[in-house]
Amino acid sequence: DIQMTQSPSSLSASVGDRVTITCRASQNINNCLNWYQQKPGKAPNLLIFAASSLQSGVPSRFSGSGSGTDFTLTISSLQPGDFATYYCQQSCSSPRTFGPGTKVD
Amino acid sequence: QVQLQESGPGLVKPSETLSLTCTVSGGSISSGSYYWSWIRQPPGKGLEWIAYIYYSGSANYNPSLKSRVTMSVDTSKNQFSLKLTSVAAADTAVYYCVRGPHGYGDPFDIWGQGTMVTVSS
Repeated sequence: DIQMTQSPSSLSASVGDRVTITCRASQNINNCLNWYQQKPGKAPNLLIFAASSLQSGVPSRFSGSGSGTDFTLTISSLQPGDFATYYCQQSCSSPRTFGPGTKVD
Repeated sequence: QVQLQESGPGLVKPSETLSLTCTVSGGSISSGSYYWSWIRQPPGKGLEWIAYIYYSGSANYNPSLKSRVTMSVDTSKNQFSLKLTSVAAADTAVYYCVRGPHGYGDPFDIWGQGTMVTVSS
């Protein structure tokens, strides 16, 4: 299985801050990397697919980058609705695996 | 707009079988464009992909659960289902039905609201 790690596991930020979350895969996954946002009591919501493509309807302050084993999710200016947990997920290999999550509060 | 809705018992006894159904609206499972998945999340923990199925019935299972999991699809009802046998407390989780992947490298793009299943006597 491809193991996914995320750092940090949690971070404290304020409205307007630039936030960066890192995800690392245990082997090369090219650009098969997706990012999800999950708010308490809700299902995850797809933000970024194929490492850097913005899902329809997602604000442009979210961006993704990276390839191979190292990836980044950036929120350019944190908004009140962005306080949530963020998960990366690889979609190159079965079983599909998720990172452990990064909580932004 | 495609929507997914999980249904099934919220409480299952240890050693019994967990059975869930996902009803898809706003789109046809048999259109052939997507696989359909189950993903679970234990309370306070991360996400675990369980399995996905194509409308033809071809399924792919997570090896960690493969011996206990069966997915099926009913195209006439636009539903797909999950059965997990010999459940234990560790199977307590929110279970999500999800659209995706579309193909190789694609994400899980539409999620149901999730249903909490507790394993307890």
